[in-house]
Amino acid sequence: DTAVSQTPKYLVTQMGNDKSIKCEQNLGHDTMYWYKQDSKKFLKIMFSYNNKELIINETVPNRFSPKSPDKAHLNLHINSLELGDSAVYFCASSQEGRVAGGPSDTQYFGPGTRLTVL
Amino acid sequence: QQPVQSPQAVILREGEDAVINCSSSKALYSVHWYRQKHGEAPVFLMILLKGGEQKGHEKISASFNEKKQQSSLYLTASQLSYSGTYFCGTELSGNTPLVFGKGTRLSVIA
Repeated sequence: DTAVSQTPKYLVTQMGNDKSIKCEQNLGHDTMYWYKQDSKKFLKIMFSYNNKELIINETVPNRFSPKSPDKAHLNLHINSLELGDSAVYFCASSQEGRVAGGPSDTQYFGPGTRLTVL
Repeated sequence: QQPVQSPQAVILREGEDAVINCSSSKALYSVHWYRQKHGEAPVFLMILLKGGEQKGHEKISASFNEKKQQSSLYLTASQLSYSGTYFCGTELSGNTPLVFGKGTRLSVIA
């Protein structure tokens, strides 16, 4: 059974289009994340949700909108896609985002979605 | 505040040892190490909290030097399966997000 799954695995689209990436985890975790990994392999956090509530929202264009219908799902919708959005997007989850002021919990990453904007 | 990893890349022969460093200009609260194999997702290796503790994972271990604000990942007797990009992630406190470094690409050849 896949712990953290993402669909689609590959996404090729034209500039200006709107697209969504879906993420599901079956680990019973409370916290989910979206990361962007660019061509230079820089892994940057975009959003984090804990029990469906947004807890981290890094400096990301508002064309990116996460949605968490329940704590097992965190989808990413991107409007008006631009060339610079091309990257691999990883979803991740952790048991708890953080234990009472402690360190971040271990994160389990999905397989990634390679987005190519033409 | 993104941590700085060094070296950027390293090539080893099987059986050789390597050290990957992760440094910060600010006081660190925790350091997390992940490995990402080519075309795959990052996988958690270990976490270190301030206090200078050392942890081990098979033949991969790490230390955290609180005074230097640096963590080092030690890979001993490297195996082909160790190849990949190693990321450190750092937190400045229990209330700040995990920020990853740019990664160190490790290639182990026969």
